[in-house]
Amino acid sequence: GAVVSQHPSRVICKSGTSVKIECRSLDFQATTMFWYRQFPKQSLMLMATSNEGSKATYEQGVEKDKFLINHASLTLSTLTVTSAHPEDSSFYICSAREGLAQETQYFGPGTRLLVL
Amino acid sequence: RKEVEQDPGPFNVPEGATVAFNCTYSNSASQSFFWYRQDCRKEPKLLMSVYSSGNEDGRFTAQLNRASQYISLLIRDSKLSDSATYLCPMNRDDKIIFGKGTRLHILP
Repeated sequence: GAVVSQHPSRVICKSGTSVKIECRSLDFQATTMFWYRQFPKQSLMLMATSNEGSKATYEQGVEKDKFLINHASLTLSTLTVTSAHPEDSSFYICSAREGLAQETQYFGPGTRLLVL
Repeated sequence: RKEVEQDPGPFNVPEGATVAFNCTYSNSASQSFFWYRQDCRKEPKLLMSVYSSGNEDGRFTAQLNRASQYISLLIRDSKLSDSATYLCPMNRDDKIIFGKGTRLHILP
């Protein structure tokens, strides 16, 4: 299957700092990328959908000014958690889709964020 | 009604047994269906797509029942490595939405 990478795989930061997470599709061009967050023993919650070259669409309850998403190319999307706080500690997972809505999404390995 | 509903389990099944679970969905317009598995502290991985006529991949069989709006997954001859959470995401407005999944524990 297609390969999606994420970097970093885990990050520990102090409260108030900003953290950038990269998501790359390695062997296909991702017209759409998705960002999810998963708390322990909870389901993956969709945070936002990003299409290359346009603004991200955020799910209800997700602060767009806190979670900045940039999808500057067909192979790269970034999520920046601004002024992170301990409650932002979670498992952040991106996924990428090559084309139509019916096509498979491929997931990155996730990024564990711990905010102290 | 939730978009995706699954029995959270856990299903504790002895190795070698057959296990099946369902996933109901609320959006009758959904066109594509998948089963993913997620191991503890890992990302979801595609297990198989689900086709209208049903499909099989080795020990795994997936079925779609459009009238009752559910999909099913049957695992035969279960292995210890099948222990995971099984997810059936659904499409909503061009996005994939997940439920909590069904936890499966295969017992030695």
